[in-house]
Amino acid sequence: DAGVIQSPRHEVTEMGQEVTLRCKPISGHDYLFWYRQTMMRGLELLIYFNNNVPIDDSGMPEDRFSAKMPNASFSTLKIQPSEPRDSAVYFCASSWTGRTEAFFGQGTRLTVV
Amino acid sequence: RKEVEQDPGPFNVPEGATVAFNCTYSNSASQSFFWYRQDCRKEPKLLMSVYSSGNEDGRFTAQLNRASQYISLLIRDSKLSDSATYLCVVNLFSGNTPLVFGKGTRLSVIA
Repeated sequence: DAGVIQSPRHEVTEMGQEVTLRCKPISGHDYLFWYRQTMMRGLELLIYFNNNVPIDDSGMPEDRFSAKMPNASFSTLKIQPSEPRDSAVYFCASSWTGRTEAFFGQGTRLTVV
Repeated sequence: RKEVEQDPGPFNVPEGATVAFNCTYSNSASQSFFWYRQDCRKEPKLLMSVYSSGNEDGRFTAQLNRASQYISLLIRDSKLSDSATYLCVVNLFSGNTPLVFGKGTRLSVIA
């Protein structure tokens, strides 16, 4: 079974550039979460969707961050413009109604220079 | 006060040792509790759920104390392969509300 698939695995970009991270949740899962992990702050929830609808985006740090889920099998997290402090590992996770366990993708390691 | 607090470690223990991790959570209304494991440069994966009655999975035992808002994980007969970061995780509400993660406790099991 394919798990949660994220791309790219690594991204190095210059400050000010737009970055788009992609996620394909596990088929049949109706919840999708975007988390960010840094040494200082650990894993933080950015936003989550249920049935493609954003439910809570209070964790999105600034207007520079945006997320979409146009269909059940695809989501994007966009940072525009990127800044060095956005450097982190970004994880996408999915789950389905009635199960609390979240399944994580392998993450995108973002470095903004 | 952070919602989920853990001792970051590292805990360096010899093979065969017993090691225990603790975690506290701030929201008394929290519904579900878990331990996740994260290997270096990998994604977090569910290790086990934690129930009020306590539960065991092989060498791993998890306990929950709701009165003290405290969760523990005990690993017996540590193996080299147990070296990882262990994340204490809380679900504030029932259902599929997002999981809240502690920053993790790092364990190194040494030969």
